[in-house]
Amino acid sequence: AQSVTQLGSHVSVSEGALVLLRCNYSSSVPPYLFWYVQYPNQGLQLLLKYTSAATLVKGINGFEAEFKKSETSFHLTKPSAHMSDAAEYFCAVSDTGGGADGLTFGKGTHLIIQP
Amino acid sequence: DAMVIQNPRYQVTQFGKPVTLSCSQTLNHNVMYWYQQKSSQAPKLLFHYYDKDFNNEADTPDNFQSRRPNTSFCFLDIRSPGLGDAAMYLCATSRDPGGTQYFGPGTRLTVL
Repeated sequence: AQSVTQLGSHVSVSEGALVLLRCNYSSSVPPYLFWYVQYPNQGLQLLLKYTSAATLVKGINGFEAEFKKSETSFHLTKPSAHMSDAAEYFCAVSDTGGGADGLTFGKGTHLIIQP
Repeated sequence: DAMVIQNPRYQVTQFGKPVTLSCSQTLNHNVMYWYQQKSSQAPKLLFHYYDKDFNNEADTPDNFQSRRPNTSFCFLDIRSPGLGDAAMYLCATSRDPGGTQYFGPGTRLTVL
């Protein structure tokens, strides 16, 4: 079974500061990993994904994440936070076993940007 | 250029009154998923279709059913909604199993 743990249900940073959202995964097979962002009353938008290619993945809106197998982590970062980054962020894992399985999500991290 | 469309965006129903939520896609993806997301929680997979093959998650209540009449459309039927079924319902698609999933904007269901 696969699972995702996101440390910190709420993260608050100042505008212009570094954003770091933590994600650790558990998977019995090499995983596909994803970060999604959700704005209030909207669906999920894909930020970036890791599918066993480069371990440093660049996504939209200046976000990037690094896959570290030894730490079973896939933390999301952005060098300089913007007010528009305030949202809910979900880390998710998908089994690459080939079955048409859905995503297993972490509980989410609410990112707060202080002016 | 909407890719995954959900209608309606907001749905109000009465306790016990059947309701159907709709999802359509213009991506011609093989797999369609339905997730339930309760307030301040992560989305939880209810079921998915791989082409015409239906796959139900083990803990999805029998009250929830789904239909996929063609590649483009997928419906979520809640036969007898309870107060605990109030949630955001998210539809997603992927080209292939395990591939990147693209989400619709969701339908927020209120049960009175």
